[in-house]
Amino acid sequence: SQQGEEDPQALSIQEGENATMNCSYKTSINNLQWYRQNSGRGLVHLILIRSNEREKHSGRLRVTLDTSKKSSSLLITASRAADTASYFCARGDGGFKTIFGAGTRLFVKA
Amino acid sequence: GAGVSQTPSNKVTEKGKYVELRCDPISGHTALYWYRQSLGQGPEFLIYFQGTGAADDSGLPNDRFFAVRPEGSVSTLKIQRTERGDSAVYLCASSLRGLGDSPLHFGNGTRLTVT
Repeated sequence: SQQGEEDPQALSIQEGENATMNCSYKTSINNLQWYRQNSGRGLVHLILIRSNEREKHSGRLRVTLDTSKKSSSLLITASRAADTASYFCARGDGGFKTIFGAGTRLFVKA
Repeated sequence: GAGVSQTPSNKVTEKGKYVELRCDPISGHTALYWYRQSLGQGPEFLIYFQGTGAADDSGLPNDRFFAVRPEGSVSTLKIQRTERGDSAVYLCASSLRGLGDSPLHFGNGTRLTVT
C-alpha cells in the first residue's frame, strides 16, 4: 500500500478544544505535508515541514516532525465547527511522488 | 485560471465503456499529477507529468489506464473497458516545480461511477 498510518481514524471534539492528529511513515522523507479536504472537494495544502525542521506554525496550526520516530503531528488549537474536515499527511519521497496517508476525519461540534 | 479545473465533475458510464477525464492545471505549473480516491481513503498516486512527458506512471493499475499531456498544460486521463472497480473520485493536482517538494494544488475531482 502507498499509504502511511494516521491516528486516530476519526476524532470528535467540542468547539474550542484542541485537536491532535498523528502520522507515521516507514521510509525516509525529504518533507512532510498536511492537507485538508472538505466533503466532496479537492484537497487544500495547509503546511509543509522539511526533514531538517522540527516544528512549524501557521495560524492555529502547529506541526511537529520527529524523523527518529518517523512521525509527525498536526495540532489545531481552539477548534471551530468550520474545521470539520478530513486531514491527510503526505510525504515527499525524494523523487516525484507525494504519497498520502488514509486520513483523520475530524468533527467539531458547535 | 484561478485554480485547477476538472471536467466533468460527475461521470456515470456502463461497464465496458471508454471514458476521458480532463484536467486544466494552474497556468505556469509544470508538474501535473493524477490521483484516485476511494471512499474513506486517501488519494492514491497514479501518474506524474513534468511538462509533456510522463515522468512516473508507476501508479497506473493496468494497461486500461492511460494519460496524456500533449502541450504541457491540459491533461486527459483515459480509461478503456471500464470496470465497476474503477468507480472512484479521480483527482488532478498541479504544482510549480514537482519533485515532491512544493505544495500540490488540487481540483475538485471527477466522480466516476461504473454501473
